[in-house]
Amino acid sequence: GENVEQHPSTLSVQEGDSAVIKCTYSDSASNYFPWYKQELGKRPQLIIDIRSNVGEKKDQRIAVTLNKTAKHFSLHITETQPEDSAVYFCAARGGANNLFFGTGTRLTVIP
Amino acid sequence: ETGVTQSPTHLIKTRGQQVTLRCSSQSGHNTVSWYQQALGQGPQFIFQYYREEENGRGNFPPRFSGLQFPNYSSELNVNALELDDSALYLCASSSGVGSPLHFGNGTRLTVT
Repeated sequence: GENVEQHPSTLSVQEGDSAVIKCTYSDSASNYFPWYKQELGKRPQLIIDIRSNVGEKKDQRIAVTLNKTAKHFSLHITETQPEDSAVYFCAARGGANNLFFGTGTRLTVIP
Repeated sequence: ETGVTQSPTHLIKTRGQQVTLRCSSQSGHNTVSWYQQALGQGPQFIFQYYREEENGRGNFPPRFSGLQFPNYSSELNVNALELDDSALYLCASSSGVGSPLHFGNGTRLTVT
């Protein structure tokens, strides 16, 4: 089955700096890669996603890049703000229609 | 538009007991998936229901079972509870099998 690895597990940045979280996946059949943000005690919220026919997608301060050949994808957050502090999860979905999640990255934005 | 709602929010059970968790899907969504999230981990896929039929299952034993109703709401049943079943159980709905998932707030289950 699919195996998704996520790095780093924790990340601290100064407010205004950029944050990058990286994930790798193992199943070349995976074709959909969402990112979720989970604040303490709350639901995972979909913040951006990308499909395998696209290399990059951007939504305001958030962007995701996908390298199908290397089987890795990354989340980029620019001009970070304290409210960006949360746990971020990457995920991959293949033919089985279920999402395989990474282990999460705890992002702390220091004011 | 109503989002995904789950009940109860918290639950404490004793080892060996049975539990039923409930989920109402977002308006217009016909697919429901259940995930288990242990503390400090990413969600793990339990199973998915599409039009009242199971449409995929993760690596969970048969004592985890589910149902989907004609209104697309769903139940997760767990029999013979074990201590390791303590986790946040998340329900997610989508407008189709391959569409983005939208999660509910989850049910925090504690097994003592």
